[in-house]
Amino acid sequence: NAGVTQTPKFQVLKTGQSMTLQCAQDMNHEYMSWYRQDPGMGLRLIHYSVGAGITDQGEVPNGYNVSRSTTEDFPLRLLSAAPSQTSVYFCASSYSNQGNEQFFGPGTRLTVL
Amino acid sequence: AQTVTQSQPEMSVQEAETVTLSCTYDTSESDYYLFWYKQPPSRQMILVIRQEAYKQQNATENRFSVNFQKAAKSFSLKISDSQLGDAAMYFCALDVPGANSKLTFGKGITLSVRP
Repeated sequence: NAGVTQTPKFQVLKTGQSMTLQCAQDMNHEYMSWYRQDPGMGLRLIHYSVGAGITDQGEVPNGYNVSRSTTEDFPLRLLSAAPSQTSVYFCASSYSNQGNEQFFGPGTRLTVL
Repeated sequence: AQTVTQSQPEMSVQEAETVTLSCTYDTSESDYYLFWYKQPPSRQMILVIRQEAYKQQNATENRFSVNFQKAAKSFSLKISDSQLGDAAMYFCALDVPGANSKLTFGKGITLSVRP
């Protein structure tokens, strides 16, 4: 099993550009989520999904969109990149949202100029 | 709302010694789960240990153990016989099950290990 995969690993954008961060898991997990990690802030939840077709907002959803058309994939879209979105982004998945271990992808380091 | 507090941003330990990382949390629920995750320089998040709130026995995984004090809402991680590979950032996290369950992380603590 590949676990949770994320692409790309690094990305540089200009302000106003849009892009999609890809996330996929092959563990048949129902629960998937996106976090951003900033220095001194820990990990903050952006969006999450409890199953295909169901998504909800986390703590810091503004400027991001998600969709979950399949169990395996959970892409994160930046609509119009801003310097405040410079961060490291992690995708995670777990069997459920009932206290199970979350498995994390390797992260994407995004810089917005 | 749930909160997780890690008040020490950095700690240092001598190789082979023992170190304790502190974490406090707040929730009004009685059923929840607590985690410690490790993030080495590779950036990969790795689960260290998991504790179920309804279990009074403290979780243990090899050299890692927790001191779970439910009444005090404290969840500290003890690393025994510290190794150079333990150098990493450690995050405490709280998960309250439910329809809108979300994992809440503390800000993390950077642990360095002196040879």
